Amino acid sequence: AQSVTQLGSHVSVSEGALVLLRCNYSSSVPPYLFWYVQYPNQGLQLLLKYTSAATLVKGINGFEAEFKKSETSFHLTKPSAHMSDAAEYFCAVSSSGGYQKVTFGTGTKLQVIP
Amino acid sequence: ETGVTQSPTHLIKTRGQQVTLRCSSQSGHNTVSWYQQALGQGPQFIFQYYREEENGRGNFPPRFSGLQFPNYSSELNVNALELDDSALYLCASSLDRTGANSPLHFGNGTRLTVT
Repeated sequence: AQSVTQLGSHVSVSEGALVLLRCNYSSSVPPYLFWYVQYPNQGLQLLLKYTSAATLVKGINGFEAEFKKSETSFHLTKPSAHMSDAAEYFCAVSSSGGYQKVTFGTGTKLQVIP
Repeated sequence: ETGVTQSPTHLIKTRGQQVTLRCSSQSGHNTVSWYQQALGQGPQFIFQYYREEENGRGNFPPRFSGLQFPNYSSELNVNALELDDSALYLCASSLDRTGANSPLHFGNGTRLTVT
């Protein structure tokens, strides 16, 4: 069974500081890994997706994530936080098969302090 | 390009009633999935429809059912509503039923409250 664990339900950073959101995955087969962002009262927007083409994945809005198989991690980073980054972030995993079942983590709420 | 649209945005129902939620997929997308997001939780997979047939299902009882129409739009039906069904219901569409080449594109959801 596939699953993801997000460490820290709430993370606070100062504007301009590094953003680091942690995610560890468990999957019996090489996975697809994702980070999604959810703003209040909205659906989820894809930030980036790992599909084994490259271990460092660049996404939208300056975010990137590094796939580390030895650590089963897929942490999300951004060098400099912006006020508009305040939102909830979900790590997710899916495996190839007859249908796309995406399993989400419980989410990390990012607060950006001016 | 039109994104995924869901209706209604909010809905209040009474325990035991039935509800239908609607979703229009993004232009060109032939696969629709439904997810339930309880307050403070990540979304949970309900089922996926591809070419008008359910081709994958999560751990939800049969009172959760769906339809997909020839234009790829979809409905989620929930019978015999329970208080725990209160959640944000998200519809997502994609070009690819397996997800190998197309990620999910989500709508803004329908907020269902069961009293």
